[in-house]
Amino acid sequence: GAVVSQHPSWVICKSGTSVKIECRSLDFQATTMFWYRQFPKQSLMLMATSNEGSKATYEQGVEKDKFLINHASLTLSTLTVTSAHPEDSSFYICSARVLAGTDTQYFGPGTRLTVL
Amino acid sequence: DQQVKQNSPSLSVQEGRISILNCDYTNSMFDYFLWYKKYPAEGPTFLISISSIKDKNEDGRFTVFLNKSAKHLSLHIVPSQPGDSAVYFCAASAPLNFGNEKLTFGTGTRLTIIP
Repeated sequence: GAVVSQHPSWVICKSGTSVKIECRSLDFQATTMFWYRQFPKQSLMLMATSNEGSKATYEQGVEKDKFLINHASLTLSTLTVTSAHPEDSSFYICSARVLAGTDTQYFGPGTRLTVL
Repeated sequence: DQQVKQNSPSLSVQEGRISILNCDYTNSMFDYFLWYKKYPAEGPTFLISISSIKDKNEDGRFTVFLNKSAKHLSLHIVPSQPGDSAVYFCAASAPLNFGNEKLTFGTGTRLTIIP
């Protein structure tokens, strides 16, 4: 199946700093990537949809100025958590759709963010 | 409003027996359903999917059944193996805009296979 990677796999940062998470599709081009957040023992919550070459579409309640998404190429999307606070600590997962118009998404391994 | 529900947070099944995971949905616009398996601290892995034009899809040990009238789907795993122990999420999508479909996930069911 399609392979999606994320980097870093885990990161610890101080409150007030910014953290960038990369999501790459390794063996296919992804016009659309998605960013999810998962709190412990909860479901995956979609944060935003990232389309290559255009602005990301954010879900209701997600601050676009805090969670900056850049989808600069067909194989790379980045999520930057700006001015991180302890409540931003979570597991962030990206996914990519192989073909436009299909619904199957392939997920990255996730990034564990801990903000001290 | 939880549009996709997995009412059993956990399930334990003996190795070799059948595991049945259930999922209910409320949005009648959903037309594509997927099951993902997730280990702790890892991203979900796609298992199997089904379109609303079908009522059954089978792939090896995994079979998904869809009952549109009841807005219910289930994942059957047979025979269950210890490596199947994980959290299983069902997900659904609706044809809102071509190319912009997004997945709505259930809350997950933790499956434990007992050796």
